[in-house]
Amino acid sequence: EPEVTQTPSHQVTQMGQEVILRCVPISNHLYFYWYRQILGQKVEFLVSFYNNEISEKSEIFDDQFSVERPDGSNFTLKIRSTKLEDSAMYFCASSPTGGSSYEQYFGPGTRLTVT
Amino acid sequence: LAKTTQPISMDSYEGQEVNITCSHNNIATNDYITWYQQFPSQGPRFIIQGYKTKVTNEVASLFIPADRKSSTLSLPRVSLSDTAVYYCLVGDGSGGGADGLTFGKGTHLIIQP
Repeated sequence: EPEVTQTPSHQVTQMGQEVILRCVPISNHLYFYWYRQILGQKVEFLVSFYNNEISEKSEIFDDQFSVERPDGSNFTLKIRSTKLEDSAMYFCASSPTGGSSYEQYFGPGTRLTVT
Repeated sequence: LAKTTQPISMDSYEGQEVNITCSHNNIATNDYITWYQQFPSQGPRFIIQGYKTKVTNEVASLFIPADRKSSTLSLPRVSLSDTAVYYCLVGDGSGGGADGLTFGKGTHLIIQP
């Protein structure tokens, strides 16, 4: 069964550093998403991406964040200057075109620790 | 996005059927009901989606009464591995696929031996 994959599984970085989180969505999906979950809290939507541009973003997704689909398979989330409060699990998801956008397939996540 | 209410936690035992009910009094005509499951330190997993009456797949059943103001996720013969958080989401998903999902706190289901 096709799966969303994410790398790395765990990233430790110092405050102020840039990080790039990588995702490989399911191959025939065209909608991509990033979410985050701070430990013990809800899963929060960050951004959705379609046709090489951002479709929707939340208030969390400020100028420190950016997304990119650099090639036909990868989907990345960049945080330019990490803060302590960016420590969280970051989940990538993808959705099949033509289906309900509420049917999303999530990756295993990247645990980001900012020290 | 319709507001949903579900129990914060539930306990059951292996082999039992578990029913988790979600209230969504303000559900709109075009809204679907979708359930996700999340294990600790893993991403949410799509379980089932329905609009009305009953939907069944290999994992669960979803019962939706005629007024659609609530729905019940039914897990048959649960095992310890069904211990997870279960989320009920309601919305029409008509944003052309771009809709970000809004997760609540979900129901923490604990299965005991």
